[in-house]
Amino acid sequence: AQTVTQSQPEMSVQEAETVTLSCTYDTSENNYYLFWYKQPPSRQMILVIRQEAYKQQNATENRFSVNFQKAAKSFSLKISDSQLGDTAMYFCAFMKRLASGSARQLTFGSGTQLTVLP
Amino acid sequence: DAGVTQSPTHLIKTRGQHVTLRCSPISGHKSVSWYQQVLGQGPQFIFQYYEKEERGRGNFPDRFSARQFPNYSSELNVNALLLGDSALYLCASSSGLAGIHYEQYFGPGTRLTVT
Repeated sequence: AQTVTQSQPEMSVQEAETVTLSCTYDTSENNYYLFWYKQPPSRQMILVIRQEAYKQQNATENRFSVNFQKAAKSFSLKISDSQLGDTAMYFCAFMKRLASGSARQLTFGSGTQLTVLP
Repeated sequence: DAGVTQSPTHLIKTRGQHVTLRCSPISGHKSVSWYQQVLGQGPQFIFQYYEKEERGRGNFPDRFSARQFPNYSSELNVNALLLGDSALYLCASSSGLAGIHYEQYFGPGTRLTVT
């Protein structure tokens, strides 16, 4: 079974500053996907960024980037130029890369509540 | 295009009752997954359906069941409700199960309160 650990229940950052959210995972799989999802107070879970484990290059999406360390099983999210709208719960999630037709289930961490301060 | 839709938004039920939650996937998506998110925790996988067949089931009791219809919409049913079933129930859709179709897009959720 896979486990995802987010050791920072809460974090805060000043507007325009940079913040890094940590995530570690445990798996015996070699092929998998990793995700960061954002859940604002509206409850809608929004995909922020994704990483395929077989790709060594770290994924980036505008102000969001990841530091993927496969050997260390670490997957941190860096948010640059933080904005008030980034205030939300952030979840790290894992998905096994299985044969076609198999279930695609996400395993989530417990989340990090990020508050961007004006 | 409309995203994933779920109904109802909120629901209050009494212990022992039955509840049905509904989900409509993004147009063209054939897979629907259900997750339970208890307050203060990350979502937990309940079911995944693809082409009307159950393709995966999480560690939930048999009181939880689901089905997918020919139009790919889905229902989640919970029987004999317990206080511990109070949670946000999230539906996610994906276009398929293979290759690039693995990404899941979530709906706004249904908040279930059991009293």
